[in-house]
Amino acid sequence: AQSVTQPDIHITVSEGASLELRCNYSYGATPYLFWYVQSPGQGLQLLLKYFSGDTLVQGIKGFEAEFKRSQSSFNLRKPSVHWSDAAEYFCAVGESNAGNMLTFGGGTRLMVKP
Amino acid sequence: EPEVTQTPSHQVTQMGQEVILRCVPISNHLYFYWYRQILGQKVEFLVSFYNNEISEKSEIFDDQFSVERPDGSNFTLKIRSTKLEDSAMYFCASREQGPTGELFFGEGSRLTVL
Repeated sequence: AQSVTQPDIHITVSEGASLELRCNYSYGATPYLFWYVQSPGQGLQLLLKYFSGDTLVQGIKGFEAEFKRSQSSFNLRKPSVHWSDAAEYFCAVGESNAGNMLTFGGGTRLMVKP
Repeated sequence: EPEVTQTPSHQVTQMGQEVILRCVPISNHLYFYWYRQILGQKVEFLVSFYNNEISEKSEIFDDQFSVERPDGSNFTLKIRSTKLEDSAMYFCASREQGPTGELFFGEGSRLTVL
């Protein structure tokens, strides 16, 4: 069965600092990988996704993520965090079929200090 | 920008009552989903729906749950006899045809069972 682990429940960074949110997955085949962001009172918004090809993927809002098969990781990065990035971030893995059922990690809550 | 809309945003009900959560997916989407997030826990897959039938469901989606697409636009989740542990945020999602289509999530319906 597939699973996703986000080791950091809470992270606090200063505005302007770089950010890396960790995600490790367990999946037998080539995974479809996603990062979603959830702002308070909002739904889940897709930041970026990886299906195949270039292992470094660019997303919205200046985010990127790198797929590392050898480490079973798909960490999310941003070079300079803005106060508006404060939110909860979810990593998810999907099955490589038309069902596209997603398995989510537990989430990482990001707080940004001024 | 097209979006998935959910109603109600918050519902409070007594244990044992029936609840219907409503979703209007994006109009040209063909795959529909319900996920839920119990407070402080992971987002969990409940069910996927395609071509007017359930395509996948999780262990959570027992006989107390049902889904329906009663007309061309709405997609509903019914809980027949609510339990305390059904209290959660329920997210509807939809996507276009094709295995790599992005899931678009609604803002969620918070269900509180007393």
